[in-house]
Amino acid sequence: AQRVTQPEKLLSVFKGAPVELKCNYSYSGSPELFWYVQYSRQRLQLLLRHISRESIKGFTADLNKGETSFHLKKPFAQEEDSAMYYCARLNKLTFGGGTRVLVKP
Amino acid sequence: GAVVSQHPSWVICKSGTSVKIECRSLDFQATTMFWYRQFPKQSLMLMATSNEGSKATYEQGVEKDKFLINHASLTLSTLTVTSAHPEDSSFYICSASNRGLVSISYEQYFGPGTRLTVT
Repeated sequence: AQRVTQPEKLLSVFKGAPVELKCNYSYSGSPELFWYVQYSRQRLQLLLRHISRESIKGFTADLNKGETSFHLKKPFAQEEDSAMYYCARLNKLTFGGGTRVLVKP
Repeated sequence: GAVVSQHPSWVICKSGTSVKIECRSLDFQATTMFWYRQFPKQSLMLMATSNEGSKATYEQGVEKDKFLINHASLTLSTLTVTSAHPEDSSFYICSASNRGLVSISYEQYFGPGTRLTVT
């Protein structure tokens, strides 16, 4: 089965510290991967996608085909980054289990 | 940006009754809409994919006769939970896309979700 795995359910970091959310996928072929974020009491929204190679809100994610990973990183976490983060792949947008990030002041 | 709405935002119904949830794309035409289910503290699970004017494609394990999906227009899809039971209580989320699945890159816009409680 084609899967998206987020091994960490919870990441707790201090403000200003780096944060990395892991995402691994199993897929034969060229996957298209996304990171979605859900802030408290808000709907799910797209954070970034691998094909655009952009940085959004200080977050970046690089597709590593050798390691089948698409980890999300931010060098200096802010309190407003506290949210649920989901890694997802196309087709049919299959989601990983999600990682809750808590940034402490 | 593209906005997707859902109605109702929450609903409580008695066991055995049917409940209809609406998903609307407010400022764009959605060629494809998706319905997800999310249990507490769990990820979203795709239930079905619907394209305007055609029958929905259900994921394995999802009963199509229980979860009726209608995508009658480019801005509206409905999910009807028929003969609801307490185990159907969940958070139902829809999303809409304005491109077909054959596109390499497209974005799904998510609704705020509908919390269904079956007593």
